[in-house]
Amino acid sequence: DIVMTQSPDSLAVSLGERATINCKSSQSVLYTSNNKNYFGWYQQKPGQPPKLLIYWASTRESGVPDRFSGSGSGTDFTLTISSLQAEDVAVYYCQQYYTTPYTFGQGTKLEIK
Amino acid sequence: QVQLVQSGAEVKKPGASVKVSCKASGYFFTTYGINWVRQAPGQGLEWMGWITPHNGNTNYAQKFQGRVTMTTDTSTSTAYMELRSLSSDDTAVYYCARGSYCAGGSCYFDHWGQGTLVTVSS
Repeated sequence: DIVMTQSPDSLAVSLGERATINCKSSQSVLYTSNNKNYFGWYQQKPGQPPKLLIYWASTRESGVPDRFSGSGSGTDFTLTISSLQAEDVAVYYCQQYYTTPYTFGQGTKLEIK
Repeated sequence: QVQLVQSGAEVKKPGASVKVSCKASGYFFTTYGINWVRQAPGQGLEWMGWITPHNGNTNYAQKFQGRVTMTTDTSTSTAYMELRSLSSDDTAVYYCARGSYCAGGSCYFDHWGQGTLVTVSS
């Protein structure tokens, strides 16, 4: 199974500041035939299902604010929130859909400092 | 708009089975797969498997092989997940999530149901 490891486990950032979450996969999730990373980011607020933020490592889902961006390739990925808003408090998960079982990171809890 | 509406909370005794439904609307049911993901209290997300409604093919996580069955009813655009031989470790919120087809499997999960809490307790 591909193991997804996020860092940090929790993060406190001041409003308006940048938040960065990292995710490392135990093997590459880059599909060389189409040069796509089978990787995404989800946001989960308390009592709600996860919400897709980013897919193909860097494509923002429709309706997601442009302060959210994804980068990386192969085994190392980053989610950046350029200017933290109060509504961004949540747990963030990375996921690989390169091969089954599709696996998620352990989650990063983002709070306001 | 795309919606996945799941059945209500369940309380089961150890050893019993549970069947959770997920009714899809707002898109052509057979053009996307349905994944099932669970989340134990205070824990992370765990993929259980997925089903392709157009042909009923399934792909289960090895952890659940032999204990889970995923089915669909295309006439009602509903997916089902049955989990047998329940134990307290199966207490969790169970989600269905839509996934488009790619590379022989599912792509990212772009729409999720609201979740169904299954509590296993004697």
